[in-house]
Parts: sequence; structure tokens; C-alpha cells
Amino acid sequence: AQSVTQPDIHITVSEGASLELRCNYSYGATPYLFWYVQSPGQGLQLLLKYFSGDTLVQGIKGFEAEFKRSQSSFNLRKPSVHWSDAAEYFCAVGSGNTGKLIFGQGTTLQVKP
Amino acid sequence: KAGVTQTPRYLIKTRGQQVTLSCSPISGHRSVSWYQQTPGQGLQFLFEYFSETQRNKGNFPGRFSGRQFSNSRSEMNVSTLELGDSALYLCASSFLLAVPGDEQFFGPGTRLTVL
Repeated sequence: AQSVTQPDIHITVSEGASLELRCNYSYGATPYLFWYVQSPGQGLQLLLKYFSGDTLVQGIKGFEAEFKRSQSSFNLRKPSVHWSDAAEYFCAVGSGNTGKLIFGQGTTLQVKP
Repeated sequence: KAGVTQTPRYLIKTRGQQVTLSCSPISGHRSVSWYQQTPGQGLQFLFEYFSETQRNKGNFPGRFSGRQFSNSRSEMNVSTLELGDSALYLCASSFLLAVPGDEQFFGPGTRLTVL
């Protein structure tokens, strides 16, 4: 069965520091992988997605993610975090040939001034 | 272009009642999916509609139902509400059949509280 694991429930980083959020997936075929961000009281906004090709994917707001098939991982990174990046981040995998997304439990990012 | 809109944004109901939530997709989008978000279970897929047809359904009891209209607007209905139905209900729309390559745009959600 497809699944997504985000090992870190809560992460705190200082403003200006680098960030890496971990995501591991279990999927039988070629995965379609996504990272979404959710600010309090808001819906989900797509940061980036991976379908095929270059394993390093660039997204919005300075985020990037690297797909590593051998490790079943799709970690999200940002070189320098801003206070406005504080939010909840969700990794998701596309399921089969439908629009159904399977989400991880999310990682809450807190940014210290 | 207006985003996905969901109404109402907040709703308070009591156990045993029923509720209907509405979702208007982005203009031109034909696919609508619904998700339930709770602190304990996270984001869980409810169902997906394309051209008025339900093409996928998550693992939820039959109390949860939905439909899509010819203008792509969608509604979901929850009957006989239980306390555990308290959640943020998110709607997402996409242009084509919502295959994995098709970006889904999420609305702000409807916060349902069951007392």
C-alpha cells in the first residue's frame, strides 16, 4: 500500500539557517511526489512536484527537493529560512492514475528570530 | 483568476444533524477532490469527481457523500454527524482528469465543529 512518512513532527530553526524536511514514501510504481505548505487557517499551497527527469526539483519561495529512488526519499530543502516560512509542510504521493493524494502527517516548522 | 472557494468557512452542528458543504472550483477546472483534515488522522482523501461522475472514493462510511454539478461545482454531505466528524474539509480542483501530473489547487477549507 502506498504511504508517506514524515519523521519529524516539529522542527525549529533560526531565521537565516538552512532547512531540510524529510519525507519517505512507499509506492509500487513511479511515484508522483509533491510538497505542500499550509499556513494557519489556510488551504494547501503547492511548493513543488516531481514526476520524472531531473531528480533535483526547484519550487516556489526558494524551496527545492531531491528525489532519491534508492532511499525512497523526497526531502525538501531551503538554504536560508525566513520568518514567513513558519507553517506546516506536507509531503504527498499521487496514487495510481487518479487525482487521489496520500499525505504524510506533516511537519510543523517554527522559525526563531 | 479566482481561486477555489468553499462555503461556508465555519460551521457548528450538533450530533445527529446533517451538513452540506460547497466547493466552487477554479473557472475551467473540471475535477474536484475532497479531503478531511484532523489533528489525529491528518489529511485523508474522501472522494473525487470529474464531469459529474465520482471516479474515486476514500475509506469513509456511507454517511459521507458528494456530488458534482454540470458547472463543476461540488457539494459534500455528511449525515448523522458524529463528534469525530469535526474537521477541516478541504476541496481541491484541477483542470483535467485529476491524474497525478495535474496540479490540484486547494481551497481554504470549511471548519466543521460537531457538538
